[in-house]
Parts: sequence; C-alpha cells; structure tokens
Amino acid sequence: GQQVMQIPQYQHVQEGEDFTTYCNSSTTLSNIQWYKQRPGGHPVFLIQLVKSGEVKKQKRLTFQFGEAKKNSSLHITATQTTDVGTYFCAGITYNFNKFYFGSGTKLNVKP
Amino acid sequence: EPEVTQTPSHQVTQMGQEVILRCVPISNHLYFYWYRQILGQKVEFLVSFYNNEISEKSEIFDDQFSVERPDGSNFTLKIRSTKLEDSAMYFCASSVQGAGTGELFFGEGSRLTVL
Repeated sequence: GQQVMQIPQYQHVQEGEDFTTYCNSSTTLSNIQWYKQRPGGHPVFLIQLVKSGEVKKQKRLTFQFGEAKKNSSLHITATQTTDVGTYFCAGITYNFNKFYFGSGTKLNVKP
Repeated sequence: EPEVTQTPSHQVTQMGQEVILRCVPISNHLYFYWYRQILGQKVEFLVSFYNNEISEKSEIFDDQFSVERPDGSNFTLKIRSTKLEDSAMYFCASSVQGAGTGELFFGEGSRLTVL
C-alpha cells in the first residue's frame, strides 16, 4: 500500500542552526502538503506543492518537491525556539481522496 | 477566522462502551475527514466523507467505526465497542475541495482514553 516515509524522526538543534526534514513516497504523488503540529496542538497547514521540481519559500522555510514527485523536503534556516514542533508531510495520490501523512519529524530547538 | 470545532475535548470510557465524537466543520467546506493520532505517533487517516457518503476509508476503519452527518452541520464518528487500542487523539478535518486541491483544516482534537 501507499507509504510516505519521513526522516529524521527527531532532530535537536541549537537556536540559529539549520534544519531539514525529508519525505519519500513509494508512489508518485499528485501533490504534497506540509503541516506543523506544536506540542499538544493540532496539525496546521503550511504549504502545498503541486509541480514537479517546485520550490516555495515562506520566510525562513524552503519547501521542495522532487522532479519525480516522489519526494519532498522542508528546510528551515536559522531556527528559532518558535519553530519547535513536529513537521508532517502529507502526500496525495492521483486516485484517492485521502492524504497519507508521513511519520513526522520532531524538532527541538535549544535556546 | 472560521475553525473546525470538536467535542468533547477529552473522553474517558470503559472498554466495550460506545463513544460518539462530534465535529462541526467549517460551514462552506464540502469534504470531511477523521484522523487519529496515538500519542507520539503519526497522524493516521481513518475516513473521508463527501456528499453524505464515505468516499475513502482506511483499514483501521473497520465495522466498529461509523460516521454520519445527521443534521447538515455536525459530523460524527461513532466507535461501537471501544478497545484499549482505540485510545488516541481523534482529529476531525474539513476542506473546501477534495484531496489534492486544498488544505485540511483540523480541529483541536478529542482525546479518547479507554480503560
């Protein structure tokens, strides 16, 4: 069945360091979304990527969608303590009305 | 800002009891979802609902689960006979359009504890 894998599972960084999480799908995706979940909170939408090779930026966050539309990454430049949380990718296949969430990367930022 | 609301925020129940979790999606949204998240784990898809019927469901969503939209505003998830392993946070989500075209708006979640 459809699998969306995400690495790393955990990442501890010092404030100011960069952070990257990677998402890989076993099948080609129609698009991919990224969500952030603060501790004790609910997932909140960050961005959607649709086109092969697409790159989008939101301030210190850079999102990429692979050329084959099977992988994606989220890069945070110069992390801040407000970046703490779990980052999930959610892949959508062409045929089904459901999002396959990755296992998430839990980011901890030490001040 | 419109939001998805869920009740109860926390429910404790005995194994074998029936539980109903309620959700009020955002009013102009047409697609509704239930997800669950066991503590510290990933968000797992349960079911999607559109036009008053289930459009997709996962292998987790077996015969003990059901969903309905009884009155055009509430969207409920019923677990008929709860098991210990049903303990999790259950998130309702809604979207304007189906998967692939827009973001999911999640509610705050309902924490279910089965004893």
